[in-house]
Amino acid sequence: EPEVTQTPSHQVTQMGQEVILRCVPISNHLYFYWYRQILGQKVEFLVSFYNNEISEKSEIFDDQFSVERPDGSNFTLKIRSTKLEDSAMYFCASRPGQGAAGNTIYFGEGSWLTVV
Amino acid sequence: SQQGEEDPQALSIQEGENATMNCSYKTSINNLQWYRQNSGRGLVHLILIRSNEREKHSGRLRVTLDTSKKSSSLLITASRAADTASYFCAPIGDSGYSTLTFGKGTMLLVSP
Repeated sequence: EPEVTQTPSHQVTQMGQEVILRCVPISNHLYFYWYRQILGQKVEFLVSFYNNEISEKSEIFDDQFSVERPDGSNFTLKIRSTKLEDSAMYFCASRPGQGAAGNTIYFGEGSWLTVV
Repeated sequence: SQQGEEDPQALSIQEGENATMNCSYKTSINNLQWYRQNSGRGLVHLILIRSNEREKHSGRLRVTLDTSKKSSSLLITASRAADTASYFCAPIGDSGYSTLTFGKGTMLLVSP
């Protein structure tokens, strides 16, 4: 079964460093998302992306964050200058947007980011 | 987007028993989805029920929807230890698709 894949699975970075988290959404999906989950807390929405632009973003998604779909298969989340509080599991997700399962969101296994 | 509220926050049962989790939401919906998250893992879509449906089954899962009460329930029958996870509901508004927003979920513990 097709799945959303994320790399790296775990990254440790120094405070102030830039981090890029990579995702390969399911082929033919039209909508892409990033969520994050701080340890012990709920899953929080960051940003949604459709038709090569951000369609919605939360208050968490400030100027330190950016997303990009550089080619037909990858979807990346960049954190420009990481802070300690950015330590979390980051989930990429995608949705078909059409067809019977158009509203179902499929999540990757996450990238665990630790900022030290 | 709107967030569902799951109840109870935690549920502990024995293998073989049934587990029932409830979800309430505030505004009218197009559909409601249930997801599962094993500890440290990604969310897995379980089932979607549309606003014009009252009940839906998928294997050992049974979902009901009562739009008049703005509530849904997820029943897991004959539970197994592998069902231990957090369960979330995600209501989608009737204005069209909106971003899924997750609440705190119900943490289910199934003991052997």
